[in-house]
Amino acid sequence: DVVMTQSPLSLPVTLGQPASISCRSSQSLVHSDGNTYLNWFQQRPGQSPRRLISYVSNRDSGVPDRFSGSGSGTDFTLKISRVEAEDVGVYYCMQGTHWPPITFGQGTRLEIK
Amino acid sequence: QVRLVESGGGVVQPGRSLTLSCAAYGFSFSASGMHWVRQAPGKGLEWVAVIWNDGSNRYYEDSVKGRFTISRDNSKNRLYLQMNSLRAEDTAVYYCARGDDFFDLWGQGTLVTVSS
Repeated sequence: DVVMTQSPLSLPVTLGQPASISCRSSQSLVHSDGNTYLNWFQQRPGQSPRRLISYVSNRDSGVPDRFSGSGSGTDFTLKISRVEAEDVGVYYCMQGTHWPPITFGQGTRLEIK
Repeated sequence: QVRLVESGGGVVQPGRSLTLSCAAYGFSFSASGMHWVRQAPGKGLEWVAVIWNDGSNRYYEDSVKGRFTISRDNSKNRLYLQMNSLRAEDTAVYYCARGDDFFDLWGQGTLVTVSS
């Protein structure tokens, strides 16, 4: 199974400051079809997860452009350019290249300092 | 409105069975692969099972293989998860999620508590 490792697991950030979350996979996520199936999800307190980004860097409809995804191979990053109060929650990366099983990172808890 | 609505959760004793349901609204259910994902209290997300859009293929996470069965009824726009031989470690919120490019749509979840 592909292991997804996120860091940090806890991320205190001052409002208006940038934030960055790293996600590393135990093997390359480049699929034989050429795509990289790496998604990012946000889970606000008490809510269901919501997909933010698919295919490493494609923002979902309605996701603010302060969120961006990057990376390749085994190393990926989610960046928030300027953190807002509504960004508090837990962020997960997920791989869908080598499945079953689909695997998630442990989650990174973003809080406001 | 495009949405997924789970139901069927509750408290069940270890070793007993429970069936979850997920109703789909506002999109072509029969065109979408569907998944169940769970989240134990205070823990992260864990993929549970998938079923192809036409029901032709199904896959399971190892710990539920042989105990859980995913199924669907495209005429009713419904997804199901039959859970047998439930264990304490199956306690979680269970989400159904649309499979298009992996989980672009989630339901609100239904809580399953396995306890004597």
